[in-house]
This record gives sequence, C-alpha cells and structure tokens, in this order.
Amino acid sequence: DIQMTQSPSTLSASVGDRVTITCRASQSISVWLAWYQQKPGKAPKLLIYRASSLESGVPSRFSGSGSGTEFTLTISSLQPDDFATYYCQQYNSYSRTFGQGTKVEIK
Amino acid sequence: EVQLVESGGGLVKPGGSLRLSCAASGFTFSSYTMNWVRQAPGKGLEWVSSISRSSSDIYSADSVKGRFTISRDNAKNSLFLLMDSLRVEDTAVYYCARETAAGGLQNFDYWGQGTLVTVSS
Repeated sequence: DIQMTQSPSTLSASVGDRVTITCRASQSISVWLAWYQQKPGKAPKLLIYRASSLESGVPSRFSGSGSGTEFTLTISSLQPDDFATYYCQQYNSYSRTFGQGTKVEIK
Repeated sequence: EVQLVESGGGLVKPGGSLRLSCAASGFTFSSYTMNWVRQAPGKGLEWVSSISRSSSDIYSADSVKGRFTISRDNAKNSLFLLMDSLRVEDTAVYYCARETAAGGLQNFDYWGQGTLVTVSS
C-alpha cells in the first residue's frame, strides 16, 4: 500500500498567518491527491482535488500544489473558521490511503 | 441536495456482527462508486471498502478483508456494510462517501454524518 505522511502533526498559528501543510507519498501518485478539512464531530469536507484544483464553494485562500511524491496545502491568510484537522488522501491506487492528519490550532 | 445518511451502528460484542446502511438521495445513486471510511476515536481516517456502480468491482482494506462485505442496492439507493467477526479495534465512526463521478479512481466529494460502531465486551 502507498503510505502518506503529513507534517507537521500539529500546527499553532494565529488569524492572518500563512499556513503550509506537507504531504509525502511513499511512491509517485502523479497528481491524484485530495485534501480534506474536518472539524470535531463532523464529516470531512473536500477542499482540493487532483493536487491543485479547488472544490466548488471552497474559499480561494486555500490552495494546493505538488506532484509525484510531495504535495502542499497552503492557507494564505488563516481565518477563525479554518481551525480544524486537515487530511491528505491519495487515489492513485484502489487502497485509498489517508495521511495521519494535521491539526491547526489557535496560537 | 446530495444527502447520505448512515444507520445501523451500535454496541456489539467481540466476534459479533453488524450491518450498516447508507441511504442516498439528491443524486443518481447508480452512477457513482461508493465507499466506506472509518475513524477510530481520536484517530485519523481509514478507507475501508469501495464498490463500483454496478457492483462489478469491489475493493477492501487488508484490515477488514474476509470479515467485512460491501454491497449496494441501486433500486433502493442504498449502500451496505456487513461486518462479521468484529474486533475491539473495529470501534469507530463509519462514514459512507461518494466518489466523484469522473471515471477511474477519484476523491470523495460527499460524506454522510457517520454512525458509531462500538465493539466491547
């Protein structure tokens, strides 16, 4: 199975900060990567697909980049609603593995 | 409006069985591959199983292979997960998730609210 490793596991930031989360795949997955946001007690919400495509309705402060084995999710100016846990997911193989998550906390 | 509503969760003893259901509405259910994803308390997301539109292609995680069976009834817009030989480590919230209908393997664009399965003696 393809392993997905996110860093950092926890991130402390302030409103207005630029935030970057990294996701690394154990083998090349081309651009078949999605990012999800999850808040406590809620289902995950799709933010980015195909590494850099913004899902409809998602604010433009979210962006994704990368290909092959290294990917990033960037929030250009952190807003109060963005404090949550973020997961990457590869869909290059039938076993759709997720990263372990990055929790974005208030500094 | 796309809606996915899971049901069937509850408390079950180790070795027991449980059948989860996911009722879909607001879209043409038979046109989408569907998935189950779980999340143990305080842990991350784990993909469990997927089933293609016509049920011709089914895939499962190694952790549940041989114990869990995914199925669907397109006439009733419903997705199922039959879980046998349950273990304590199967305790989790189980989500059904729709796969984007773009062909091939895709991300998940809609999720249900989840149903909690607790395996404990």
